[in-house]
Amino acid sequence: EDQVTQSPEALRLQEGESSSLNCSYTVSGLRGLFWYRQDPGKGPEFLFTLYSAGEEKEKERLKATLTKKESFLHITAPKPEDSATYLCAVLIQGAQKLVFGQGTRLTINP
Amino acid sequence: DTAVSQTPKYLVTQMGNDKSIKCEQNLGHDTMYWYKQDSKKFLKIMFSYNNKELIINETVPNRFSPKSPDKAHLNLHINSLELGDSAVYFCASKVTRGSTDTQYFGPGTRLTVL
Repeated sequence: EDQVTQSPEALRLQEGESSSLNCSYTVSGLRGLFWYRQDPGKGPEFLFTLYSAGEEKEKERLKATLTKKESFLHITAPKPEDSATYLCAVLIQGAQKLVFGQGTRLTINP
Repeated sequence: DTAVSQTPKYLVTQMGNDKSIKCEQNLGHDTMYWYKQDSKKFLKIMFSYNNKELIINETVPNRFSPKSPDKAHLNLHINSLELGDSAVYFCASKVTRGSTDTQYFGPGTRLTVL
């Protein structure tokens, strides 16, 4: 069964304290891996797509990386406005649907 | 300017009632989705339509019936609402052809069944 697991479930950091979120996946065939950000009461907001192992994408303080088994979302010198739930999802080869992880709730304290 | 919009944003209703949620996208996409997000924040796909044709139908009770009048709209009708239907429902869309598989989500509809 296709499965996506994110860790940790929750992470609390001080402003400026860098860290990483993990997304591990077990799927029949990976077409792409997606990272979304979700703020309370809002829909997921697209951040990155990664298609092949070794690929990296960056946006402001965020960098996403991909291996054959997992993806990391690195956050460098975070600010309070980076507080949100970060969702990882995989698109299965030959399928049209995204399979989501349960998310990591990130809190950045000033 | 809203890319994917849903109405209503909040829906509170009694058990046994029938209700609908509407979704519209102005991105020119031809594939649309309904997802359900439960209290543990898991997002799970329910349905997908491509050019008004149903292409994904997960194991969802047949009380849920999607309808796509055109490729910019995908509505969700729910009959005989149950307590367990309480959740946040998200609509999403994407373009089928091209190099991107990115799905764009609406703001969600929080359904509470009393």
